[in-house]
Amino acid sequence: AQSVTQPDIHITVSEGASLELRCNYSYGATPYLFWYVQSPGQGLQLLLKYFSGDTLVQGIKGFEAEFKRSQSSFNLRKPSVHWSDAAEYFCAVGAGKTSYDKVIFGPGTSLSVIP
Amino acid sequence: NAGVTQTPKFQVLKTGQSMTLQCAQDMNHNSMYWYRQDPGMGLRLIYYSASEGTTDKGEVPNGYNVSRLNKREFSLRLESAAPSQTSVYFCASITVGNEQFFGPGTRLTVL
Repeated sequence: AQSVTQPDIHITVSEGASLELRCNYSYGATPYLFWYVQSPGQGLQLLLKYFSGDTLVQGIKGFEAEFKRSQSSFNLRKPSVHWSDAAEYFCAVGAGKTSYDKVIFGPGTSLSVIP
Repeated sequence: NAGVTQTPKFQVLKTGQSMTLQCAQDMNHNSMYWYRQDPGMGLRLIYYSASEGTTDKGEVPNGYNVSRLNKREFSLRLESAAPSQTSVYFCASITVGNEQFFGPGTRLTVL
């Protein structure tokens, strides 16, 4: 069975600074990887996903993530953080393109942005 | 096009009471899901429905039942609520392109 860890429970960055949120997964086969963002009081919104191909994937809101098989990681990055990026971020790993019943979510990283 | 809607937004129950959480999507998606979100634990799948007329258990189904009333609606029922079911509940549906859309959630407190 797959599992996901997000080592940082909470991160604080200054507006305009770069951001990297860490995600490590455990899965025996080719993983399907996701990053979601949750603003306060809202549902989750998909930022980006990796199924295959180029290991650097671009998402919405200026986010990108890089799949590194050798490190079992799928870290999320943004070059310049905006105050509106303050939210909870979830990494998730799935067993297949259509197997959302097998998707496991990480515990989340809470991002605070200092003006 | 409202996407995924959930009712109610907030609910307080006493132990032993029952209630049904409603979810509807107007995007003609086949698959629908119910999750619960607890602090520090991410989302955990309760039940899902791959298509109209089918339902299957997820990771944490105990204490819940579901109904896929039609293609649009997927309800979650708590027959006898317990304090351990205090959580935020999210409904989601899946597009043909395998993108998951989430509703805004129902915040449930069981006293």
